[in-house]
Amino acid sequence: GDSVTQMEGPVTLSEEAFLTINCTYTATGYPSLFWYVQYPGEGLQLLLKATKADDKGSNKGFEATYRKETTSFHLEKGSVQVSDSAVYFCALSSGRIQGAQKLVFGQGTRLTINP
Amino acid sequence: DAGITQSPRHKVTETGTPVTLRCHQTENHRYMYWYRQDPGHGLRLIHYSYGVKDTDKGEVSDGYSVSRSKTEDFLLTLESATSSQTSVYFCAIKGNSGETQYFGPGTRLLVL
Repeated sequence: GDSVTQMEGPVTLSEEAFLTINCTYTATGYPSLFWYVQYPGEGLQLLLKATKADDKGSNKGFEATYRKETTSFHLEKGSVQVSDSAVYFCALSSGRIQGAQKLVFGQGTRLTINP
Repeated sequence: DAGITQSPRHKVTETGTPVTLRCHQTENHRYMYWYRQDPGHGLRLIHYSYGVKDTDKGEVSDGYSVSRSKTEDFLLTLESATSSQTSVYFCAIKGNSGETQYFGPGTRLLVL
């Protein structure tokens, strides 16, 4: 079945450092890809998404490019802030039954940014 | 804010007792989902609904049942709670078009 693999965490960086969180996937067909973020004590929020190959999703300084040839969707940010500390989830849309697109998630990567 | 509330937000219960979690939406969305979040597993789909009285199983549905008698409410029931069902439960909704799901704040359940 479809699956998503994220880099192991936790990841700890200093403020203004460059961030990469790796995400690779296995899927039949051409799924849409998502990054969700979860701040402490909260639910998941959509960070960005891409719906087809070579699309770049971007939001709040974060970017990710849908790479079909490497089945990857790595998350990057040029200069992280303390407020970016959170858990990040990569996900893909899997299957469609009666229009109910299901999401398959990676295991999550906890990011801590030190001042 | 996608207009999703979950209740209760926290619950402690004992093994063998029934538990019902409620997800309520104000956006009139057709699709609703229940996920559980566990360390090392990310989120896993329990059940989902594609309309009133229309539901189906996800990848980790054993021990859970759901009901949706109104568009706005999607209930998750643990018929007889076990310690392995200690988790954080998230409800999500999706509109008729597009693929983005919007998540509620979660319910933290502890089964002793």
